[in-house]
Amino acid sequence: NAGVTQTPKFQVLKTGQSMTLQCAQDMNHEYMSWYRQDPGMGLRLIHYSVGAGITDQGEVPNGYNVSRSTTEDFPLRLLSAAPSQTSVYFCASYSPGTGIVLHFGNGTRLTVT
Amino acid sequence: DAKTTQPPSMDCAEGRAANLPCNHSTISGNEYVYWYRQIHSQGPQYIIHGLKNNETNEMASLIITEDRKSSTLILPHATLRDTAVYYCIVRVIDNYGQNFVFGPGTRLSVLP
Repeated sequence: NAGVTQTPKFQVLKTGQSMTLQCAQDMNHEYMSWYRQDPGMGLRLIHYSVGAGITDQGEVPNGYNVSRSTTEDFPLRLLSAAPSQTSVYFCASYSPGTGIVLHFGNGTRLTVT
Repeated sequence: DAKTTQPPSMDCAEGRAANLPCNHSTISGNEYVYWYRQIHSQGPQYIIHGLKNNETNEMASLIITEDRKSSTLILPHATLRDTAVYYCIVRVIDNYGQNFVFGPGTRLSVLP
């Protein structure tokens, strides 16, 4: 079991560029989410999905887009990167049934210059 | 979901017990207390959770006061590898995970 896999680990973008952060999970979890973490702060929810074809906004959705065409994948798109989006991005999935554990990937460190 | 309050930082000597407090004075009857930790820049890792009884697993113990307004995570014999940010979260168990709210947490430094 790989768990939650995020790619790439590191990325540098110029202002205005677009890119997609990839997230995949192999645990058949219905729920997936994206967080961002700025230095010295907790995690803030960007977008989440409760199943294929269903997405919704979290606390800080502006500048990001998501889609969920399969249970396994939940990509995060930056439409036009800004320096304020420099952060570490974490993808997470949630175990169904027991409703207990949020499983995290190891993050993507994004720098926008 | 109820808010939580944690001290920003704590130190603990290696081999001693680390006791991390969390206040959640507005907790509701159906809200559970969860603890996660984040080592360096990795993704947060689940530690333990409980409703009102004290809980213990291979990683830690969770002590919840009788009125449930506060709790303490105990790492019985802290090691250098326990240096991390510890998050206390209060939430209802449901089918979805969007109500995991990660505040700034407590930065625990285990000192040799």
